[in-house]
Amino acid sequence: EVQLLESGGGLVQPGGSLRLSCAASGFTFSNYAMSWVRQAPGKGLEWVSGISGIDYNTYYADPVKGRFIVSRDNSKNTLYLQMNSLRAEDTALYYCAKDFHPFVVVSGLLDYWGQGALVTVSS
Amino acid sequence: ETVMTQSPATLSVSPGNRATLSCRASQSVGVNLAWYQQKPGQAPRLLIYAASTRASGVPARFSGSGSGTEFTLTISSLQSEDFAVYYCQQYSNWPPVTFGGGTKVDIK
Repeated sequence: EVQLLESGGGLVQPGGSLRLSCAASGFTFSNYAMSWVRQAPGKGLEWVSGISGIDYNTYYADPVKGRFIVSRDNSKNTLYLQMNSLRAEDTALYYCAKDFHPFVVVSGLLDYWGQGALVTVSS
Repeated sequence: ETVMTQSPATLSVSPGNRATLSCRASQSVGVNLAWYQQKPGQAPRLLIYAASTRASGVPARFSGSGSGTEFTLTISSLQSEDFAVYYCQQYSNWPPVTFGGGTKVDIK
């Protein structure tokens, strides 16, 4: 059974940093690209970042480019999102999600999602 | 960036009736279109991909159609567990992949 478990969320002041983790199990982690998708309170879904499985190519949405860094440790089956220079508008539930297709660069088609980690940016 | 527009924002349907949800892309996405269902307090669930292919375990009452810029999700006979928010997503022109704003299906 595929499981994705996010951790690391919390309350942070504007300008601060936070690192999210996503522990994956139930599939061959290195074979799949992974993405982070966020959802502000009461709002829709916004793709944030993606990383391919083997060559670690990374991709970002414009609102987070230059501030967020996605990475992965295939030996630990774990995905990360380092969030720097946080802003109030980054407040959201952050989901990690698995790509549907194996062995491809990020496709963005997401078949399994974690339950999310809440990030609140406020003074 | 490809903008996805969903309509209506809210759809009120009686149980057992049909629901038809629309999604429009600002430029062609071919058939690289997915639909997700999200219930309160839950993560999104993949329902449909490649515009018309049901994901594993998705009941046959859910069907998708369309190509290019116009897409439809149809729920043939609404069950109580189908009342939720539905999002379309394009994964053709990325980064970024983009989602529509969602359609909330509620009980009439």
